[in-house]
Amino acid sequence: NAGVTQTPKFQVLKTGQSMTLQCAQDMNHEYMSWYRQDPGMGLRLIHYSVGAGITDQGEVPNGYNVSRSTTEDFPLRLLSAAPSQTSVYFCASSYSFSLSSYNEQFFGPGTRLTVL
Amino acid sequence: AQTVTQSQPEMSVQEAETVTLSCTYDTSENNYYLFWYKQPPSRQMILVIRQEAYKQQNATENRFSVNFQKAAKSFSLKISDSQLGDTAMYFCAFGSTNAGKSTFGDGTTLTVKP
Repeated sequence: NAGVTQTPKFQVLKTGQSMTLQCAQDMNHEYMSWYRQDPGMGLRLIHYSVGAGITDQGEVPNGYNVSRSTTEDFPLRLLSAAPSQTSVYFCASSYSFSLSSYNEQFFGPGTRLTVL
Repeated sequence: AQTVTQSQPEMSVQEAETVTLSCTYDTSENNYYLFWYKQPPSRQMILVIRQEAYKQQNATENRFSVNFQKAAKSFSLKISDSQLGDTAMYFCAFGSTNAGKSTFGDGTTLTVKP
């Protein structure tokens, strides 16, 4: 299993440009999430999905769109990049939470995005 | 909404000694999960240990153990016999039972000194 993969690893954008960060997992996980990590801070939830066709907003959703057409893929779209979106972006996946299952989130390696 | 607070931005410990990292959280949920993640300079998020809130017994993974105090909403991480490879940022995280998402603290940077 490749686990959770993210592409690209690094990206530099100009203000106003759009792009899509790719995330894929091959563990048949129902749940997938996108987080951003700013310097010296913890991870903040952008959007998450509990299954194909179902997404919801997290703590900091503005400026980002997501869709979940398949179980495996969960792309994050930046509509019009701004310098405030300079950050490291992590995708994560997990099985559904329940009292009897192991609920570890598996994280991708991250994408470092710089917006000039 | 849940909140997670790590009150120690930086800590250091001598190699082979023991260190405890603090974490408090706030929630109205009764069933949930708590995690400690390690993030080395490579940025990879590595699960260190997890605790199910319905279990009274504190979780242990080799040199890592937790002190889970549900009533006090406290979840500290103890690292015994600290090793140079333990140098990293450590994040405490709260996981809800109804969706695959977590709330993270701002992290504690731990430095193990030789």
